[in-house]
Amino acid sequence: EPEVTQTPSHQVTQMGQEVILRCVPISNHLYFYWYRQILGQKVEFLVSFYNNEISEKSEIFDDQFSVERPDGSNFTLKIRSTKLEDSAMYFCASQRSGGVYEQYFGPGTRLTVT
Amino acid sequence: KQEVTQIPAALSVPEGENLVLNCSFTDSAIYNLQWFRQDPGKGLTSLLLIQSSQREQTSGRLNASLDKSSGRSTLYIAASQPGDSATYLCAASNDYKLSFGAGTTVTVRA
Repeated sequence: EPEVTQTPSHQVTQMGQEVILRCVPISNHLYFYWYRQILGQKVEFLVSFYNNEISEKSEIFDDQFSVERPDGSNFTLKIRSTKLEDSAMYFCASQRSGGVYEQYFGPGTRLTVT
Repeated sequence: KQEVTQIPAALSVPEGENLVLNCSFTDSAIYNLQWFRQDPGKGLTSLLLIQSSQREQTSGRLNASLDKSSGRSTLYIAASQPGDSATYLCAASNDYKLSFGAGTTVTVRA
């Protein structure tokens, strides 16, 4: 069964450094998402991406964040200058089409900012 | 803005008992509602998806109901087993994004 994959599984970085989290969505899916979960808190929506542009972003997704689909298969989340509060589990999800269809989640990348 | 609430926050039951997990949401204009399982430190495993036009969805020992008008969904797990111990999350879909509840942490005692 097709699945969403994410790399790395765990990333440790120093405050102020740039990180790129990578995701490979399911191949025939058209909508892509990033969510994050700070330890002990709810899973929060960050951004949705369709047709090579951002469809919607939350207030968390400020200028320090960007997303890209560089080669038609990968979907990346970049954090330009990491802060301690960016430490969280980041989940990528993909969806065949919008609305009624199920979102399929990857296993997550645990980001630790020291 | 969609707000999703799950009650109770935690639940402990003896093995064999049926589980009832509740989820409520404030905006009834949803596309669907998904239930997930999350083990400690792990990712999200999708359990069931109920479309907004459906009232119920079943998979094995799991049954989820949806009452859109009252903004409620319930996940029933029959004949619980220790392996069912996990956190269960519900998520409502609006505008192409999911809004999650905080989850119900279930412990099934052997």
